[in-house]
Formats: sequence, C-alpha cells, structure tokens
Amino acid sequence: EAGVAQSPRYKIIEKRQSVAFWCNPISGHATLYWYQQILGQGPKLLIQFQNNGVVDDSQLPKDRFSAERLKGVDSTLKIQPAKLEDSAVYLCASSLDLAQYFGPGTRLTVL
Amino acid sequence: DAKTTQPTSMDCAEGRAANLPCNHSTISGNEYVYWYRQIHSQGPQYIIHGLKNNETNEMASLIITEDRKSSTLILPHATLRDTAVYYCIVPPPSWGKLQFGAGTQVVVTP
Repeated sequence: EAGVAQSPRYKIIEKRQSVAFWCNPISGHATLYWYQQILGQGPKLLIQFQNNGVVDDSQLPKDRFSAERLKGVDSTLKIQPAKLEDSAVYLCASSLDLAQYFGPGTRLTVL
Repeated sequence: DAKTTQPTSMDCAEGRAANLPCNHSTISGNEYVYWYRQIHSQGPQYIIHGLKNNETNEMASLIITEDRKSSTLILPHATLRDTAVYYCIVPPPSWGKLQFGAGTQVVVTP
C-alpha cells in the first residue's frame, strides 16, 4: 500500500514570506496529524484531524499557522508570515487505529 | 501522559540482539506502550505496541514487565540499517497524541 505522501520535500524562503505544505494520507485513514520537528528534537504535534474536524490544535501557533482538511482526505499546512524559528521538518502522519504512519517530511529553511 | 525514561544512547554489534529499555512507572492500566524509530533524514516509523502481553512482529519483540512499569524492545539480529533514534511512548488512551521525548540513539556497528 502507498505510504503518506508529502510535498514539497524541501523549501527555502525568507522570513515574512508565506509557505504551504501538502499531505496525502494513506487511503482510508481517518486521522491525520501534522508535527514540527526542530533539529535535534523529537517531533511535536501541531494539529490532529479526525476526518475533516480538528481534534487537537492546542500546540498550533494560530497567529501564523493554519491547517485544513476540507474533504477529509488531503491536508495543507500554511505558515504566514514565516519566522526564522519556523525552520524545521514538518511531518504528516495518518492512522486508522492507534499506530501512526509518517510521511518523509518537508524540510523548511527560513532565511 | 505517562512519562517515559530511556537511555540517551547505546551501541550494538551487527548480528547481535539489541535490547532497548524503557521505564514508564506512572503508566495507567489502559495505556499502551508504543515504540517508534527514526532513521536519519526520514519520518518516524511505527515498530510495535503492547498493553500487557509480550508482542512480536516482523521487526521486533516487545517485553512488558508484569507490573507494566517498564518494557524492553528487542531487535533480534541488529543490522546497520537499524541505526536510528528509538522512541518509547505512552500516549493517552483517549486519542492518539504522541509525545516524543529524546529517545535512544542506537548505533549498530560492523
């Protein structure tokens, strides 16, 4: 079965610019997660969707980050405007039950 | 969430078994123990999970103590490709939120 797909794999932007990441979960997985992983740290959950509804977005910096999953399948994560400290790998994961399956991530560099 | 404690790093010889310990002394009766690993420059990979019985799959075995306060992940025949950071996680039972700690950096050497 196909895994979680993410694009782009790499993105370099300047601070105050905007950026968007796309995720296509494993087919049939109702739950989708976005994580942020800063270099040298473990991933940190930003937002969790159950179908197209938000379950947990307590760690999402809502002044600059937004995410949507309009049709309950694909999802996009946006940052506007980006700051230097947003440089990280953004990971998407999906799950059918409790085990989560991760995509390869998008490495964002903010200059 | 039940807090987990893992060693920072460990080395293992190729072909030998790697035994990765994890302490989770505050675990509740309905909380599962999950193990993930992250190979350099890749996303985390699910390995195995268990409640109280020992579990085995094609990747590893999970041994959970009778009091459930600790567990051990066993990679039966470590290969160079098993070099990764291994995370032991006990998520809340109500939903699947994973709290990743620092994990154990495992280096498999020839």
